[in-house]
Amino acid sequence: QKEVEQDPGPLSVPEGAIVSLNCTYSNSAFQYFMWYRQYSRKGPELLMYTYSSGNKEDGRFTAQVDKSSKYISLFIRDSQPSDSATYLCAMTSPGNQFYFGTGTSLTVIP
Amino acid sequence: KAGVTQTPRYLIKTRGQQVTLSCSPISGHRSVSWYQQTPGQGLQFLFEYFSETQRNKGNFPGRFSGRQFSNSRSEMNVSTLELGDSALYLCASSYSGGAETQYFGPGTRLLVL
Repeated sequence: QKEVEQDPGPLSVPEGAIVSLNCTYSNSAFQYFMWYRQYSRKGPELLMYTYSSGNKEDGRFTAQVDKSSKYISLFIRDSQPSDSATYLCAMTSPGNQFYFGTGTSLTVIP
Repeated sequence: KAGVTQTPRYLIKTRGQQVTLSCSPISGHRSVSWYQQTPGQGLQFLFEYFSETQRNKGNFPGRFSGRQFSNSRSEMNVSTLELGDSALYLCASSYSGGAETQYFGPGTRLLVL
């Protein structure tokens, strides 16, 4: 079993839709939880990070962590064509080693 | 502030050869991490260097090695290349290795024939 599981998609939504991206993990010791966005031919860029269970909001993006279920989500409100990218979840172990999901490909159709 | 730079951007090698990839971190960043990204496995952590010392290591064979120089620039070497080493190699820099401050470079795409 992989440490982090992420549905690869692809996901295709109309502009303005709410997008929900999800990851599950197996290691209860994971500490930091992050979401990265990766455009084609670019490196990942950090969107959001959080440490505790609960919600964290930043503009149109909301990151949600449920440590009891070992489940994290990223919600994108009012999705735009510029949000079309691959979204990667990531988390760190107590030794600060990173574990990434395989990424979900998202296309927002104008 | 200039971002993380990686050279070369593209590379074609044949099986059995070796390759060296370079990463220049953001000015002031002392931590450099290397990752391998493939469609099937996603992003996998190779190793992290901090102040010229390897601080963390992922589960890759000894053919994968790295080093960091006093100016924080880092190199990654892969010896005896295999077809399965074809991937996008990404480096990321941060001031101290914290999750919230990690910035990725554009990557080096390696193709092994």
